[in-house]
Amino acid sequence: DGGITQSPKYLFRKEGQNVTLSCEQNLNHDAMYWYRQDPGQGLRLIYYSQIVNDFQKGDIAEGYSVSREKKESFPLTVTSAQKNPTAFYLCASSSERQSTDTQYFGPGTRLTVL
Amino acid sequence: GQNIDQPTEMTATEGAIVQINCTYQTSGFNGLFWYQQHAGEAPTFLSYNVLDGLEEKGRFSSFLSRSKGYSYLLLKELQMKDSASYLCAVRDGGGSYIPTFGRGTSLIVHP
Repeated sequence: DGGITQSPKYLFRKEGQNVTLSCEQNLNHDAMYWYRQDPGQGLRLIYYSQIVNDFQKGDIAEGYSVSREKKESFPLTVTSAQKNPTAFYLCASSSERQSTDTQYFGPGTRLTVL
Repeated sequence: GQNIDQPTEMTATEGAIVQINCTYQTSGFNGLFWYQQHAGEAPTFLSYNVLDGLEEKGRFSSFLSRSKGYSYLLLKELQMKDSASYLCAVRDGGGSYIPTFGRGTSLIVHP
C-alpha cells in the first residue's frame, strides 16, 4: 500500500544530543515537508523540499537540519542548538502538480528531551 | 504574512450540527483546506475550497467566501468519533503550494 511512514513513534533523548527522525514515502511525491506541532499551536513549517538534492528553510528552521538524497526519504535532524525540541513532529508529502493536490501526513514522532 | 483565526475549542452534543469558523488574511489566495486530526495522530484531509460556495461531502460540508476571507466547516449528525481537532489551512497567492495552518479547533462531542 502507498503511504508515508515515520519512525520511531516515540523518541526520548538526553539534552545536548542530536537526534534524527525518519520519514519515508512511496507515493512518488516530489515535495516533502517537516512540521512541528506544540499544544495549542498549529503546524509550523520547519523545512521543505520540492525536489531531490534541494531543500528550503521554513518558518522555524533554527536548530534543525535536513537532507534529500532520495525522492522517497527526507530525514530531519534535531540538533543540540534547538532550544526547546520536545514536540510532536509531522512529516508530509505532496505531488504539487495541481493546486488541488493536498498534503499527506505521516503518523508523527513524539520527541521528548529529558 | 498570513493570519488565520479559528476558535480554540467547541463542544457539541451527539447527533447535533456544529459549525467551525475560520477567518484569514493573506496576500492573495489560492485555496483553503480543512483537516481532521485525532489526538496524537496525523491530520487527514477533509475538504478543499478555492471558489466561493459550499462543498458537500457526506456529513461534512465546507463553505468559502473569498471576499470576506471566511470559511466554515459544517459537521452534521455528530458522532462521538468526530471529537478531534479541526485544522484550517490557507494557500496564499504567491505561487507556493505550501499552506499556512491555523491553530486548530478542538471539538468535543458529548452524549
